[in-house]
Amino acid sequence: AQKVTQAQTEISVVEKEDVTLDCVYETRDTTYYLFWYKQPPSGELVFLIRRNSFDEQNEISGRYSWNFQKSTSSFNFTITASQVVDSAVYFCALQLMDSSYKLIFGSGTRLLVRP
Amino acid sequence: GAVVSQHPSRVICKSGTSVKIECRSLDFQATTMFWYRQFPKKSLMLMATSNEGSKATYEQGVEKDKFLINHASLTLSTLTVTSAHPEDSSFYICSARVSGSYEQYFGPGTRLTVT
Repeated sequence: AQKVTQAQTEISVVEKEDVTLDCVYETRDTTYYLFWYKQPPSGELVFLIRRNSFDEQNEISGRYSWNFQKSTSSFNFTITASQVVDSAVYFCALQLMDSSYKLIFGSGTRLLVRP
Repeated sequence: GAVVSQHPSRVICKSGTSVKIECRSLDFQATTMFWYRQFPKKSLMLMATSNEGSKATYEQGVEKDKFLINHASLTLSTLTVTSAHPEDSSFYICSARVSGSYEQYFGPGTRLTVT
């Protein structure tokens, strides 16, 4: 079965704190993509990152970093020095590489960054 | 590039009426479009996959006679909610897959309220 689990429903931090959002996935496929999306209150999904299952290199983009650990089927997302504008719901997703190209979303983590 | 639009962004309709939501890929051809539904504070649930020129594939539990999907061209898919009821009120999001690629781009969403 294909599944994405985001165990943290809500996280609240004070501005400038670092925060890590967890994502654990399940799939029997050896080839897949993993994604993180941000959904601000406006509702539009904002693409953050895509990671190929064969690429376990961690990635850093400004204050954002991602840790992909295939051994534990995890793809965690860290925001360093959080800001109020980071407040949003964050979704982790798994894309199958069969002919469907479906995206399977986790339940999301609501992040609140307080000033 | 890779912009997906949805129209309308918000719609309020009376119970029993039908409402059509359009999803357009503005600057690329999309062989496949996906329709998602999102309840408040919940994740995105895939409703159906539509392929240009063929019938949509619905996910388990989604009523195909209730949610009519048409994908008449490589840049346009429509979702019609027929005989809408208050429980159909939701946020509907489409995504479009670039032909020949795994890449998907999301529309800004349509908030449907049925009174």
